[in-house]
Amino acid sequence: QSALTQPASVSGSPGQSITISCTGTSSDVGSYNLVSWYQQHPDKAPKLMIYEASRRPSGVSNRFSGSKSGNTASLTISGLQAEDEADYYCCSYAGSSTVLFGGGTKLTVL
Amino acid sequence: VQLQESGPGLVKPSETLSLTCTVSGGSITSYYWSWVRLTPGKGLEWIGFFFHGGGANYNPSLKSRVTISADTSKNQFSLRLSSVTAADTAVYYCARNYVPFDYWGQGMLVTVSS
Repeated sequence: QSALTQPASVSGSPGQSITISCTGTSSDVGSYNLVSWYQQHPDKAPKLMIYEASRRPSGVSNRFSGSKSGNTASLTISGLQAEDEADYYCCSYAGSSTVLFGGGTKLTVL
Repeated sequence: VQLQESGPGLVKPSETLSLTCTVSGGSITSYYWSWVRLTPGKGLEWIGFFFHGGGANYNPSLKSRVTISADTSKNQFSLRLSSVTAADTAVYYCARNYVPFDYWGQGMLVTVSS
């Protein structure tokens, strides 16, 4: 099992939209809708932002949205705000009761 | 639901890392209960989970060294990672469920060093 592939960094200006991709294989992302996304600020615990590829937990801003096509999942943040600056990780079910994470993407708000 | 990790913050190479997660606001007899770590070079890594009445399952890359168990009388679950090396230095998190992990502890830094 290899980690899911994410860009190391993305950036955007306040008010803009950005998209973070998460590429897996037909054995993980491509086979299951069980993709989740986590936001992590420095020295804080990860926070669940998206689950089942596109569902938002209660309390998460609707500026965050998720999608999936084939072996690639995506997280889009619209109306970028300074507080969105953080690391973002994707995660996918990989069969046989196992889980894979992506390598993480550092989002910089310019 | 609140989770809190505890245990030694320093472990010697080749020894066994042992951490405990204390859960409040919910019973560990329901849901899956997981361990995840954050390493500087690799990001987040799933270690494994425990499910009451269903046993445990582990990351294949760590399976030979990992044991996750639970004490339902104390509402706690534990992680043991044997034969540790510097590569096991990380912040260790306990979490509820998996896919998704919906509640997390604050994390505990464990350093492997002599």
